[in-house]
Amino acid sequence: DAGVIQSPRHEVTEMGQEVTLRCKPISGHNSLFWYRQTMMRGLELLIYFNNNVPIDDSGMPEDRFSAKMPNASFSTLKIQPSEPRDSAVYFCASSFDLGAYEQYFGPGTRLTVT
Amino acid sequence: AQKVTQAQTEISVVEKEDVTLDCVYETRDTTYYLFWYKQPPSGELVFLIRRNSFDEQNEISGRYSWNFQKSTSSFNFTITASQVVDSAVYFCALSEAQVGTSYGKLTFGQGTILTVHP
Repeated sequence: DAGVIQSPRHEVTEMGQEVTLRCKPISGHNSLFWYRQTMMRGLELLIYFNNNVPIDDSGMPEDRFSAKMPNASFSTLKIQPSEPRDSAVYFCASSFDLGAYEQYFGPGTRLTVT
Repeated sequence: AQKVTQAQTEISVVEKEDVTLDCVYETRDTTYYLFWYKQPPSGELVFLIRRNSFDEQNEISGRYSWNFQKSTSSFNFTITASQVVDSAVYFCALSEAQVGTSYGKLTFGQGTILTVHP
């Protein structure tokens, strides 16, 4: 079975541009999570969904960040406008449900904003 | 609020040595789950194990073993006869199972960088 799929794997963009990261969770998983990893802050949970509904977006750093999950097999994380401090690796993860279940991570998208 | 502490920032060992990675957690819930993840140089986070708060039995999987002690709020990870391929960042994480503000969230420790030298 395919794991969590993320695209693109690498993204280099200029400050001020819009960036869209994409994620396809594991089929049958009801929960989806977006994380950001940097050397300074480690792994940060940005937002997570359950049954396509956002449950907690308190980790989203600013209004420049938004996330959607229009259906069970697709989610996007958008940054508009992007800034150099947004440079990080962004991970998407999915799990069967909330609470008791392990999360499976995608390969990540390495974002560089110049 | 829940918290996970991995006090060892970096560990360096020589191949075939045993190594233990420490993890201490804090939670007010009586029902919770503990996890270990491995992040090799390729960058992807790989799930290793999940334990629930009611099961304090130690677990062994090949060269890996885990020691869960509720009395000390610790969930330590031991690699026996380490190999170069074990070099990675290892994360301990906690999830609370009771519905509340932290429900569904994985709280990660800061990670321990393990380097195994040949």
